[in-house]
Amino acid sequence: GNSVTQMEGPVTLSEEAFLTINCTYTATGYPSLFWYVQYPGEGLQLLLKATKADDKGSNKGFEATYRKETTSFHLEKGSVQVSDSAVYFCALSAPITGTASKLTFGTGTRLQVTL
Amino acid sequence: NAGVTQTPKFQVLKTGQSMTLQCAQDMNHEYMSWYRQDPGMGLRLIHYSVGAGITDQGEVPNGYNVSRSTTEDFPLRLLSAAPSQTSVYFCASSQDRAQAFFGQGTRLTVV
Repeated sequence: GNSVTQMEGPVTLSEEAFLTINCTYTATGYPSLFWYVQYPGEGLQLLLKATKADDKGSNKGFEATYRKETTSFHLEKGSVQVSDSAVYFCALSAPITGTASKLTFGTGTRLQVTL
Repeated sequence: NAGVTQTPKFQVLKTGQSMTLQCAQDMNHEYMSWYRQDPGMGLRLIHYSVGAGITDQGEVPNGYNVSRSTTEDFPLRLLSAAPSQTSVYFCASSQDRAQAFFGQGTRLTVV
């Protein structure tokens, strides 16, 4: 079956540091890949996505590139802010039947940014 | 606003009680799903549906029941609540391989 593996947290960084959160996946076919973010006390919201190999998703200074050869979708940001403190989930979406697709999540990585 | 609506936001149950968590979406999405989120465990899929009248089990279905009589609604039923079901529950909907939209969550405590 499909699976997503992402780095264990928590990750603690100082403000303006460089962020990388690793994500690798196993899937048949050509899944879409996502990063979701969950701020304290809230639901998940989409951060960025990529739907085919070599696509780069970007939003709010975060970037991730769909690497089919390494089955990876690592999240990066050049300079983190305290407001980026949250839990980040890597996920893939793959077809299961008809036009329906199923999401598979990683376990989440908690990011804590300090002043 | 369009999206996924979950109710209630908070609930406390006694062991053995039953209840239904409601989920509704107005985006005409085929795929709907229920997850539970526990510390250190990420999101685990409970049940999902690929359309009205079609449901299937996820990773952790025991103790939960679902039905999908309409495209819009996907309620989750706890048959006999247990302390192990204390968790935060999220409903989500999606279409094709596009992004999933999540509800705000239901924080359930079973005492």
